[in-house]
Amino acid sequence: DQQVKQNSPSLSVQEGRISILNCDYTNSMFDYFLWYKKYPAEGPTFLISISSIKDKNEDGRFTVFLNKSAKHLSLHIVPSQPGDSAVYFCAASNSGNTPLVFGKGTRLSVIA
Amino acid sequence: DSGVTQTPKHLITATGQRVTLRCSPRSGDLSVYWYQQSLDQGLQFLIQYYNGEERAKGNILERFSAQQFPDLHSELNLSSLELGDSALYFCASSVKLNNSPLHFGNGTRLTVT
Repeated sequence: DQQVKQNSPSLSVQEGRISILNCDYTNSMFDYFLWYKKYPAEGPTFLISISSIKDKNEDGRFTVFLNKSAKHLSLHIVPSQPGDSAVYFCAASNSGNTPLVFGKGTRLSVIA
Repeated sequence: DSGVTQTPKHLITATGQRVTLRCSPRSGDLSVYWYQQSLDQGLQFLIQYYNGEERAKGNILERFSAQQFPDLHSELNLSSLELGDSALYFCASSVKLNNSPLHFGNGTRLTVT
């Protein structure tokens, strides 16, 4: 049973446009969410996080939105750059005290 | 560079064999996690250690075991290997007991033939 779902395996966006990556979760105990970015032959790197007391967190070009009632979060990248091309993983945990549960990832391709 | 070191980078072995994957966490990090990524799958949590003690267990097979040593490095032992064990194995570390956030190594790619 997948508790964290990323239903789009891939996404292609033009440079300069907005990239929106989506993530759904089923476990209502999750209250801490993270996005990781992964380049080929490297490990995932932490991008941005949000706790359930917020509905938005912003860091430069990256913004994460959380809709608790819909059990949905999204990552917005504006403007998208070719260097953003990578696999993005959504992850969740219970107050950061349980091991992170990851989605299967979305491969983002930013086309110049 | 995350500061987490995993060796070896690649490992090719035959079914039935046993291998050991090694992880050195970031300096100062006490918590070590092991994750498995199979083809087209997300990262599956295997096991967590904190300061030498096992803290959480995921869907880790009985054929797999791990430990964290006094110098905080960790080893993941995989035995009686099967073709389905072929995967990327990631180690991650964090300074605290909880996750936030995890710093990952570059993984060990295991191929079982």
